[in-house]
Amino acid sequence: QKEVEQNSGPLSVPEGAIASLNCTYSDRGSQSFFWYRQYSGKSPELIMSIYSNGDKEDGRFTAQLNKASQYVSLLIRDSQPSDSATYLCAVNSGRDDKIIFGKGTRLHILP
Amino acid sequence: GAGVSQSPRYKVAKRGQDVALRCDPISGHVSLFWYQQALGQGPEFLTYFQNEAQLDKSGLPSDRFFAERPEGSVSTLKIQRTQQEDSAVYLCASSFGLDGSPLHFGNGTRLTVT
Repeated sequence: QKEVEQNSGPLSVPEGAIASLNCTYSDRGSQSFFWYRQYSGKSPELIMSIYSNGDKEDGRFTAQLNKASQYVSLLIRDSQPSDSATYLCAVNSGRDDKIIFGKGTRLHILP
Repeated sequence: GAGVSQSPRYKVAKRGQDVALRCDPISGHVSLFWYQQALGQGPEFLTYFQNEAQLDKSGLPSDRFFAERPEGSVSTLKIQRTQQEDSAVYLCASSFGLDGSPLHFGNGTRLTVT
């Protein structure tokens, strides 16, 4: 089982709708969870970090964490064409500070 | 500088050549990570440092790969006798190193082995 799993997509969402991106992880000791956005040909940029169970909101973005289910998600409200990108889920190792990435989900916002 | 700086931005090497990729992290960042990203894939962990100590090198694909950070700042990833399968983008990222601090990435080095 991969340490961090994401559906590769593409996920197509109409402009203005809510995009929901999901990620599961295998290490129960993980404490830090991150969502990065990566445009084609660019490097990843941090969108959200979350450390506690529940929801964390930042503008149009909401990160949700459920440690019991080993599940973290990202919701994007009022999706815009500029949100079209690959979204990477990253999790730290419970044993050390190593940060592992999923393969990413390609999101396509339909105008 | 304000961000993580990587050089060169692009590197073309003939199979069998040695290459050295440089990363200059954000000033004050204790942790430094190297990742390899193939087209259409997520970043794959290679190795990471806290200051000058290499704490984990479990992701290095073979003994042809070597990384160092001798003074706890600039890091170099060296690949000896490059092979075509080494072609990828090599990403460097740094963080404050505090528990849970996020990574900040450089622009990457795109390596093409011909």
